[in-house]
Amino acid sequence: EVQLVQSGAEVKKPGESLKISCKGSGYSFTSYWIGWVRQMPGKGLEWMGIIYPGDSDTRYSPSFQGQVTISADKSISTAYLQWSSLKASDTAMYYCARRGGGSTQGPYWFDPWGQGTLVTVSS
Amino acid sequence: DIQMTQSPSSLSASVGDRVTITCRASQSISSYLNWYQQKPGKAPKLLIYAASSLQSGVPSRFSGSGSGTDFTLTISSLQPEDFATYYCQQSYSTLRYTFGQGTKLEIK
Repeated sequence: EVQLVQSGAEVKKPGESLKISCKGSGYSFTSYWIGWVRQMPGKGLEWMGIIYPGDSDTRYSPSFQGQVTISADKSISTAYLQWSSLKASDTAMYYCARRGGGSTQGPYWFDPWGQGTLVTVSS
Repeated sequence: DIQMTQSPSSLSASVGDRVTITCRASQSISSYLNWYQQKPGKAPKLLIYAASSLQSGVPSRFSGSGSGTDFTLTISSLQPEDFATYYCQQSYSTLRYTFGQGTKLEIK
């Protein structure tokens, strides 16, 4: 079974750093892009960025460029999303998802999704 | 970025109703359009990919159509478990896959 399992909920203070994870299993982790999506409380889905674990090629949405860092460790089939200095506005649920579709040409889709990691930033 | 606009933002319907949700792209995206269902407290679930292909395991009452800039998701006969929020997503823009704002489907 193809599965993405994310790390548990986090409660942090403004200014602290954080790294959350997304572990893939049941498939070749290095062969599929992994995307990250933010969902603020009561709001919709926002595309953050994507990484190819095979060579760590990473692309960011302009809204998130410079705000977060996406990385991956292919030796343990895990992708990461990290912040160097959290803000209260980073409070949200964060999802990872695997990109499906052709290797070089679309269309593409996202399935499966991780269960989500809730990040709460409060003083 | 390509902007995706869904309508309506919310919708009230009854069990057994036929429901249609629309998604419009700010530029042509061919058939590079996906639909997801999200229930409260759960991760999104892929329903339709490439505009009209039904994801494995998804009931056949769900269908998608469209190409270019205008797309629709149709539920032919609403079931109680279909009350959720639905999102469209374009996969045309290279590695920048924006979502619509969502349509909340509620029980009338």
